[in-house]
Amino acid sequence: AQTVTQSQPEMSVQEAETVTLSCTYDTSENNYYLFWYKQPPSRQMILVIRQEAYKQQNATENRFSVNFQKAAKSFSLKISDSQLGDTAMYFCAFMSLNAGGTSYGKLTFGQGTILTVHP
Amino acid sequence: SAVISQKPSRDICQRGTSLTIQCQVDSQVTMMFWYRQQPGQSLTLIATANQGSEATYESGFVIDKFPISRPNLTFSTLTVSNMSPEDSSIYLCSVDSSAIRNYGYTFGSGTRLTVV
Repeated sequence: AQTVTQSQPEMSVQEAETVTLSCTYDTSENNYYLFWYKQPPSRQMILVIRQEAYKQQNATENRFSVNFQKAAKSFSLKISDSQLGDTAMYFCAFMSLNAGGTSYGKLTFGQGTILTVHP
Repeated sequence: SAVISQKPSRDICQRGTSLTIQCQVDSQVTMMFWYRQQPGQSLTLIATANQGSEATYESGFVIDKFPISRPNLTFSTLTVSNMSPEDSSIYLCSVDSSAIRNYGYTFGSGTRLTVV
């Protein structure tokens, strides 16, 4: 079974600065996706960024980028030029692409990191 | 990506009663997932619902407590039965709405359930 660990329960950052959220995972599989989701107080889950395990290049989406270290099973999220609207709970998630396995298509979430952006 | 309408958005229920949560998707999807998010916690998968077959439940969740229906490719319901205060949580449905090789999951807006 896969596990996802987010070791930072809470983080804070000043507006316009950069912050990095950590995530590590444990799996024996070689083919999978990793995601970062954002959940603001509205509780809507919003996909921030995804990373395919077979790609060496780190994914980027505007101000959001990841540092994917497959051998170390690490998947951190960097938010640049932080904005007040970035304040939310952030979840790291793993999805297996092993079609023959029982975890196929299911998301396993980390515990979450509460990020607060201060003006 | 798909758009999901989840109802109700919130409810306060008496213990011992049942609540049915609905998710309607604006496009046909193969797999639908139901998650529970207890207060201040992460999301835990309850079950996977595929059209035309029985739902597959995760460890710790049983059909008698959380019966699921999936009558077609755009709709599913989750019932929380014989509720107790421990069932107070946010319940979310999710679908894989992406094209092949471009995975992404869309979530409903969640149902905040309070059992008193």
